[in-house]
Amino acid sequence: EAQLVQSGGGLVKPGGSLRLSCAASGFTFGRYSMNWVRQAPGKGLEWVSVISSTSSNKYYGDSVKGRFTVSRDNAKNSLYLQMNSLRAEDTAVYYCARDDITMVGGLGMDVWGQGTTVTVSS
Amino acid sequence: DIQMTQSPSSVSASVGDRVTITCRASQDVNTWLAWYQQRPGKAPNLLIYAASSLQSGVPSRFSGSGSGTYFTLTISSLQPEDFATYYCQQAYRFPRTFGPGTKVDIK
Repeated sequence: EAQLVQSGGGLVKPGGSLRLSCAASGFTFGRYSMNWVRQAPGKGLEWVSVISSTSSNKYYGDSVKGRFTVSRDNAKNSLYLQMNSLRAEDTAVYYCARDDITMVGGLGMDVWGQGTTVTVSS
Repeated sequence: DIQMTQSPSSVSASVGDRVTITCRASQDVNTWLAWYQQRPGKAPNLLIYAASSLQSGVPSRFSGSGSGTYFTLTISSLQPEDFATYYCQQAYRFPRTFGPGTKVDIK
């Protein structure tokens, strides 16, 4: 069974940094693009970032561009999100999610991690 | 960026009701559109991809249609476990964007 297990959330002060991890199992991790999606308390879903299967392509949402960096290690079946210069508005549950992206478009995020909470507060 | 809108923002319905949710994209996304269900405190769950393809394991009472800028998600006969929030998401361009969500609750 395909599974994503997340770790690395917590409480951090404004301006601080945090690194989230997402460990994959039960599927060939290196064949899939991977996303980060977040959800602020009581709010809807916000797409954060995507990384292609070989790390050749990375995209970010406008709200995190220049502050967050996505990476992956296919040998370790792991996805990461390095978050710097954190702001109060980055407070959210962060999810990693598998994506099947073709040359033209995506087929949806079909496997999700359990979510990890990031709280940015002094 | 492609903006996604959904209507209604919430709907009250009874078990057995037929429910339809509408999603509109600010520009043509062809059929690169996905629908998700999210129950409180849980991760989203993919229901429909490519506008009308049912994800494996999802009950057949869920169906999707549309192309271009107008899409619908229909639940043919609402079940107790279907009370949740539903999101559409365009999968055509980066940045990916989600609709604001439609909450389906019990009448």
